[in-house]
Amino acid sequence: RKEVEQDPGPFNVPEGATVAFNCTYSNSASQSFFWYRQDCRKEPKLLMSVYSSGNEDGRFTAQLNRASQYISLLIRDSKLSDSATYLCAVKVGNAGKSTFGDGTTLTVKP
Amino acid sequence: EAEVAQSPRYKITEKSQAVAFWCDPISGHATLYWYRQILGQGPELLVQFQDESVVDDSQLPKDRFSAERLKGVDSTLKIQPAELGDSAMYLCASSLRLAGAVDTQYFGPGTRLTVL
Repeated sequence: RKEVEQDPGPFNVPEGATVAFNCTYSNSASQSFFWYRQDCRKEPKLLMSVYSSGNEDGRFTAQLNRASQYISLLIRDSKLSDSATYLCAVKVGNAGKSTFGDGTTLTVKP
Repeated sequence: EAEVAQSPRYKITEKSQAVAFWCDPISGHATLYWYRQILGQGPELLVQFQDESVVDDSQLPKDRFSAERLKGVDSTLKIQPAELGDSAMYLCASSLRLAGAVDTQYFGPGTRLTVL
């Protein structure tokens, strides 16, 4: 079993839809959590850090569930420009390495 | 906005040849990471530096891969000899790592390696 697992998708949704991705992690000592966005053949770019209390940035909401060991990303009012691969990353301690999931692909269609 | 620089952006080589990739992190970032990303997968850490010291190279195939960061600034990743399975995107990232703050990594544009 991989340390960090994501549903690869693809998720195909119409513009304006709400879509949610989950990411599960196996190491209960994980302390830091992130969502990255990666466009085709480009580098990952940080979308959001995920805080224990959950956090929101515009149309994007991230949640952490430590008991069930997963993080989630909710995208409301999807735009065509949201089409990308979304990677979650988990760190054990601030000095530890980041372990990435394999990503979930989202395609938003007109 | 400061960025992580990498070169070359693309590299095509034949198997058994040597290749080298260069990374210049964001100024002041003490931590530097090299990742390998195979198509369809997430980035996998190869080596992590704190200043000039290696912190984690547990996933680095040391029989053919080497990495250095001699002055604690820019870094070079080398593969010798390259194998077909090394074809991937090689990503460099850096972070500031302030005590008590969430450690955020910033990625460079990557070097796409194709081994023929």
